Amino acid sequence: QVQLVQSGAEVKMPGASVKVSCKASGYSFTAYYIHWVRQAPGQGLEWMGWINPNSGDPRYAQKFQGRVSMTRDTSITTVYMELPRPTFDDTAVYYCARGRSVDILTTPPFDYWGQGTQVTVSS
Amino acid sequence: EIVLTQSPGTLSLSPGERATLSCRASQSISNNQLAWYQQKPGQAPRLLIYGASTRAPGIPDRFSGSGSGTDFTLTANRLEPEDFAVYFCLRYGTSPWTFGQGTKVEIK
Repeated sequence: QVQLVQSGAEVKMPGASVKVSCKASGYSFTAYYIHWVRQAPGQGLEWMGWINPNSGDPRYAQKFQGRVSMTRDTSITTVYMELPRPTFDDTAVYYCARGRSVDILTTPPFDYWGQGTQVTVSS
Repeated sequence: EIVLTQSPGTLSLSPGERATLSCRASQSISNNQLAWYQQKPGQAPRLLIYGASTRAPGIPDRFSGSGSGTDFTLTANRLEPEDFAVYFCLRYGTSPWTFGQGTKVEIK
């Protein structure tokens, strides 16, 4: 069965890099985009961007350009989301979610989600 | 960027009633690339509807989606206790993908 399993909660000081992992299993890793979505406390969902696990090419929301890095390691079917210099406003639950098929654009978006990773930025 | 506006912000209903949720886009959404998600406290969202009207696998048929262009609707007939949650719409396809701000369906 399809599973996305994320790394555990993180507490970081402002400006201290944080990296969250998302291990995919149960399907062809390179066949589907992986997206990152975050949710600040008591707030809605915010799309951050995607990575094509086949090519490694990322696409970021304009708000996160220069503030986030999405990478992948195909040997261990894992995608990473890194915030190099987080601020207090980056405190949120971060989700990875399976996007659409790289080849078949009619597949459903976000049909599988990771369990979420709490990232707390605090001094 | 296409902005999605959901209404109402909160819907207070009793079990057995019908919920009608709206999602309005600032520009026409091509190819009906509009999805709906349900989220309960402490859980990841769950896909309900994609392509504006296609139910995801395992979703009960009391949930239905409709609409095109800029106006979309999620309807939940005969609300069950487990349906009380927050619902989000999502515009997908080309970048950027955008979410609506959510509608909370609460027990009256």
